[in-house]
Amino acid sequence: EAQVTQNPRYLITVTGKKLTVTCSQNMNHEYMSWYRQDPGLGLRQIYYSMNVEATDKGDVPEGYKVSRKEKRNFPLILESPSPNQTSLYFCASSLGVGDTEAFFGQGTRLTVV
Amino acid sequence: EDQVTQSPEALRLQEGESSSLNCSYTVSGLRGLFWYRQDPGKGPEFLFTLYSAGEEKEKERLKATLTKKESFLHITAPKPEDSATYLCAVNNQGGKLIFGQGTELSVKP
Repeated sequence: EAQVTQNPRYLITVTGKKLTVTCSQNMNHEYMSWYRQDPGLGLRQIYYSMNVEATDKGDVPEGYKVSRKEKRNFPLILESPSPNQTSLYFCASSLGVGDTEAFFGQGTRLTVV
Repeated sequence: EDQVTQSPEALRLQEGESSSLNCSYTVSGLRGLFWYRQDPGKGPEFLFTLYSAGEEKEKERLKATLTKKESFLHITAPKPEDSATYLCAVNNQGGKLIFGQGTELSVKP
């Protein structure tokens, strides 16, 4: 089954404790991205990757890091989480950039206290 | 600045009561307009892609249309299972996907 898998689904952590949210896709997609979704603000892109070892900033990259060492994996790293990073996070992948539909993971609900 | 505005923010319908959701956009070079459905606590699920003005796509009770400035998602005779948040997004020349804030649809039996 074609899918994008995120882990964990739920995470509560404390300010400053480094964490990683994993994302993996099994569709051999070139393009992967991370979004955060907040009430009233919609989905905003954090980082994206057009291929292995090619990553770039989206609209709200501050406080986040990503890496793309393998085509299927695109982890999101929070080096020193803060309460304003409490949000619902989605990973997405698509065949290419621009004109193809994106497949989304099930989401990771992160709470930073 | 590229942006997407959806209206209304929330819509309550009775089962069988047809209606339309609006997505207005301004974008530098439209490469595609997308509609997604999102259920509570889940990731968005792809519905349609539209590429040029005049294009229409249909799927069961849903029909999406596109003009040069906006897109409509028409819902004919909705059922309670159509209740969800519907998201509109556009891809600009740079390949970036820009989302609207969504319309939360509730269909009561």
